[in-house]
Amino acid sequence: DSGVTQTPKHLITATGQRVTLRCSPRSGDLSVYWYQQSLDQGLQFLIQYYNGEERAKGNILERFSAQQFPDLHSELNLSSLELGDSALYFCASSASDVDEKLFFGSGTQLSVL
Amino acid sequence: GENVEQHPSTLSVQEGDSAVIKCTYSDSASNYFPWYKQELGKGPQLIIDIRSNVGEKKDQRIAVTLNKTAKHFSLHITETQPEDSAVYFCAAPSSNTGKLIFGQGTTLQVKP
Repeated sequence: DSGVTQTPKHLITATGQRVTLRCSPRSGDLSVYWYQQSLDQGLQFLIQYYNGEERAKGNILERFSAQQFPDLHSELNLSSLELGDSALYFCASSASDVDEKLFFGSGTQLSVL
Repeated sequence: GENVEQHPSTLSVQEGDSAVIKCTYSDSASNYFPWYKQELGKGPQLIIDIRSNVGEKKDQRIAVTLNKTAKHFSLHITETQPEDSAVYFCAAPSSNTGKLIFGQGTTLQVKP
């Protein structure tokens, strides 16, 4: 167990809908990262928060947004969903703002029908 | 652009044999190289990492070697066991963004 908790494990929704994915980092970790994993794109970095503030952005679509709350949990919001958004979404956490020793959650499998 | 290439994409070995996975990176300023193992239905798990000031690092049956001149690093698993079967990812940070760039993954199958 990595100590990173992601909910829900599975999510099935329709095109055009909006969903929220939730992540609780390991105790004491200040950074939260969001990744998208698909068969053809591998692990793609979306966004990082450190101690409540956005630290870095990757290939995140404008339809997607995230935030980190004072208790350090994070949410990833995906809106106007398209079929191509179907993927595994992982949250990871680390102690610092540097990309080292990342601990990943078990992921949320999103299926857009 | 910056890139991390990983080979092979699939690898099948007999239990007890060794397995080697190789990654090449393009950013010569990269200084940290982790390897992750992803089992079915789980998230990637860090199994070993190495910094650019070290040429080799071992942890029981797992070792990572780094060749900075050639810009490649390799994962070595000795005495493989069925529970080593998983997808393995290498990664290297971009010197521009500091973000990890992951390889495409290697599916390792260890046959009993």
